[in-house]
Amino acid sequence: GAVVSQHPSRVICKSGTSVKIECRSLDFQATTMFWYRQFPKKSLMLMATSNEGSKATYEQGVEKDKFLINHASLTLSTLTVTSAHPEDSSFYICSASQPGVADTQYFGPGTRLTVL
Amino acid sequence: DAKTTQPNSMESNEEEPVHLPCNHSTISGTDYIHWYRQLPSQGPEYVIHGLTSNVNNRMASLAIAEDRKSSTLILHRATLRDAAVYYCILSFGNEKLTFGTGTRLTIIP
Repeated sequence: GAVVSQHPSRVICKSGTSVKIECRSLDFQATTMFWYRQFPKKSLMLMATSNEGSKATYEQGVEKDKFLINHASLTLSTLTVTSAHPEDSSFYICSASQPGVADTQYFGPGTRLTVL
Repeated sequence: DAKTTQPNSMESNEEEPVHLPCNHSTISGTDYIHWYRQLPSQGPEYVIHGLTSNVNNRMASLAIAEDRKSSTLILHRATLRDAAVYYCILSFGNEKLTFGTGTRLTIIP
């Protein structure tokens, strides 16, 4: 099946710093990528939809100035958490939509962010 | 978004078949039925998807009711590695996925 990678898998940072998370589709081109956040024992919550070459669409309640998304190519999307605070600590997961009849989404392994 | 309803949890014995149900009574004609599963501290893993006909792949089978208002994911022979949260999600085209609470499957050795 299609493979999506994320880097880093785990990051610990100090409050106030910015963290960049990369999401890559390794064996297919993805015009659309999605970013999710998951808190412990909760389900995935969509943060934003990222389309290559255009601005991301954010879900209600997600601060676009805090969570910067760049989808610079058909295989790479980045999420930057700016001025991170402890409440931003979470499991961040990306997915890439493989073009086709069903447009199945394939997910990355996730990035565990801990803000001290 | 059309919603799905799944049992919160299920248990099954190792090496036995598992039938995970999903109700989606408000499914539209163009919605695909997708199943994903998530192991602890990992991203969701694609399992299978279908539209109208039953589907088989190396991981599982998907049985879709004739009226499409329900479906069943079938794991033919459960192993301990199949213990996960299973999500049944409806989607069409490139639209976003809405994750519910899924079914937590426990495999008993």
